[in-house]
Amino acid sequence: GENVEQHPSTLSVQEGDSAVIKCTYSDSASNYFPWYKQELGKGPQLIIDIRSNVGEKKDQRIAVTLNKTAKHFSLHITETQPEDSAVYFCAASETRYSSASKIIFGSGTRLSIRP
Amino acid sequence: SQTIHQWPATLVQPVGSPLSLECTVEGTSNPNLYWYRQAAGRGLQLLFYSVGIGQISSEVPQNLSASRPQDRQFILSSKKLLLSDSGFYLCAWGVQGARGTEAFFGQGTRLTVV
Repeated sequence: GENVEQHPSTLSVQEGDSAVIKCTYSDSASNYFPWYKQELGKGPQLIIDIRSNVGEKKDQRIAVTLNKTAKHFSLHITETQPEDSAVYFCAASETRYSSASKIIFGSGTRLSIRP
Repeated sequence: SQTIHQWPATLVQPVGSPLSLECTVEGTSNPNLYWYRQAAGRGLQLLFYSVGIGQISSEVPQNLSASRPQDRQFILSSKKLLLSDSGFYLCAWGVQGARGTEAFFGQGTRLTVV
């Protein structure tokens, strides 16, 4: 089955600097890669996603890149702000039309923004 | 719009007691439903997922079980809780589509087994 590894487990950056979180996946059938942000005591919220037919996607200060050959995908946050402090999860799933997709998550990265 | 409700928000239960966590979804039909567990400082572990009423797939053998008695209701249960069952339990719903399966999470239940 799918296995998603995420690094680093903790990340501290100065406000205004960029943060990068990296994930790898094992199942070449996976074709959808969402990223979630989890604030303390809450459920994760989808912040951006990318499909396997796209190499990069950007939404304001957040961007994701995908390298299907290497089975790597990354989250990039530029101009970090205090409200970016949270736990971030990457995930991978396979689109299936006849059954449910299992959504497998990485272990999470605790991002702290230093003022 | 779609909403997901999960309760209770927090729960403290003694070892050996039963468990029942409920999750309901509104505003959509025939969703995929998921139960995840998040141990302290850890990632999200998929426990169960369901494509329809009465259809449950288990990912991790354990003393937990799941049921889906109605299309938009997903229940996580245990007959006898263990200390290791403590954690943050998250219900999620998703819909298959060409873009893959997005998962929308509830607010979670923090379970402490004492």
